[in-house]
Amino acid sequence: DAGVTQSPTHLIKTRGQQVTLRCSPISGHKSVSWYQQVLGQGPQFIFQYYEKEERGRGNFPDRFSARQFPNYSSELNVNALLLGDSALYLCASSPGTNYEQYFGPGTRLTVT
Amino acid sequence: GIQVEQSPPDLILQEGANSTLRCNFSDSVNNLQWFHQNPWGQLINLFYIPSGTKQNGRLSATTVATERYSLLYISSSQTTDSGVYFCAVGSGTYKYIFGTGTRLKVLA
Repeated sequence: DAGVTQSPTHLIKTRGQQVTLRCSPISGHKSVSWYQQVLGQGPQFIFQYYEKEERGRGNFPDRFSARQFPNYSSELNVNALLLGDSALYLCASSPGTNYEQYFGPGTRLTVT
Repeated sequence: GIQVEQSPPDLILQEGANSTLRCNFSDSVNNLQWFHQNPWGQLINLFYIPSGTKQNGRLSATTVATERYSLLYISSSQTTDSGVYFCAVGSGTYKYIFGTGTRLKVLA
């Protein structure tokens, strides 16, 4: 069975631009969570979606938004990029909202 | 919110040595996982262990939920065990709080 997939693997953006990151969960999993990991720190929770509804949001500005599609895949959007948004963005999938989470390989975003 | 502390922050071992990593958390939890993050950033699931003891090969883990800690044991360490080990806990239904990690380096 395929694991969690994320695209793109890497990308470089300029300050002020917008970016969209994509995640496909494990087949049968209905929950997707997004995390941001800056260098040297542990991942920080951004969003959780379950059954296409936002179930939780971390302490991130409104420049960050996400959505989940009918096939349970998800997109994370970040507007007006700042240098501090440079990080590894991780997607996690789980069967529901209170289960073991499985992480994808991440998207490494560099903002210049 | 819940605070998660991991110790030690850094650990250097000779190949073949054993080690114990600790995760303390400040409130009751209903989810706890241990992960190994490889040099490419991939978080690899080691254990889902909100309570009790589990073993998988050279690795084992114990969570004592009533005392708010979890331990990860690595026996007969190998160079491929190098990387960062994270403990993550959840008390609600939607998010995990990660610790700051233990950076392990195993020398050949």
